[in-house]
Amino acid sequence: EDQVTQSPEALRLQEGESSSLNCSYTVSGLRGLFWYRQDPGKGPEFLFTLYSAGEEKEKERLKATLTKKESFLHITAPKPEDSATYLCAVQANYGGSQGNLIFGKGTKLSVKP
Amino acid sequence: GAGVSQSPSNKVTEKGKDVELRCDPISGHTALYWYRQSLGQGLEFLIYFQGNSAPDKSGLPSDRFSAERTGGSVSTLTIQRTQQEDSAVYLCASSLGVYQPQHFGDGTRLSIL
Repeated sequence: EDQVTQSPEALRLQEGESSSLNCSYTVSGLRGLFWYRQDPGKGPEFLFTLYSAGEEKEKERLKATLTKKESFLHITAPKPEDSATYLCAVQANYGGSQGNLIFGKGTKLSVKP
Repeated sequence: GAGVSQSPSNKVTEKGKDVELRCDPISGHTALYWYRQSLGQGLEFLIYFQGNSAPDKSGLPSDRFSAERTGGSVSTLTIQRTQQEDSAVYLCASSLGVYQPQHFGDGTRLSIL
């Protein structure tokens, strides 16, 4: 069964304290891995797509990496405005028309000033 | 340009009533998805439309749930004879194609009394 597990469930950091969020996945054939940010009362906001092991993407203080079994979202010198829930999702390559994402439960990040 | 628009943003209804939720995707996006997000749960896939193809209904939890997409644009998710377990945030997403990043609306928060 395809599934995504994120850890930790919650993470509290001091402003400037770098850390990483983990996303482990099992999928029959990976088409892509997606990272989203979700603020309370809002829909998920797209951050990155990674397609193959070894790939890295960066955006401001965020850097996403991918291996064959997991992805990491590294947060460098976070600021309070980085506080949000970060969601990881995979899209399987069934060779058919399916395009739905399989989501993890997310990591709730709190950054204190 | 405008993002994915969902209405209403909140809906409170009595158990047993029918509800309709609306989604306006980003202009030009051919793929449209519905997901459900319950408290403490990850996003759960419901249904997927791609162009003029038959929809992928594999995620619908029961035959009380149905959805349609008119003219390849606006979509309506209908829940008949609502139950308390249907209470959740219903999120709509659209993408340029089946393997492109999905962009989400802010959802409809549905509460069943």
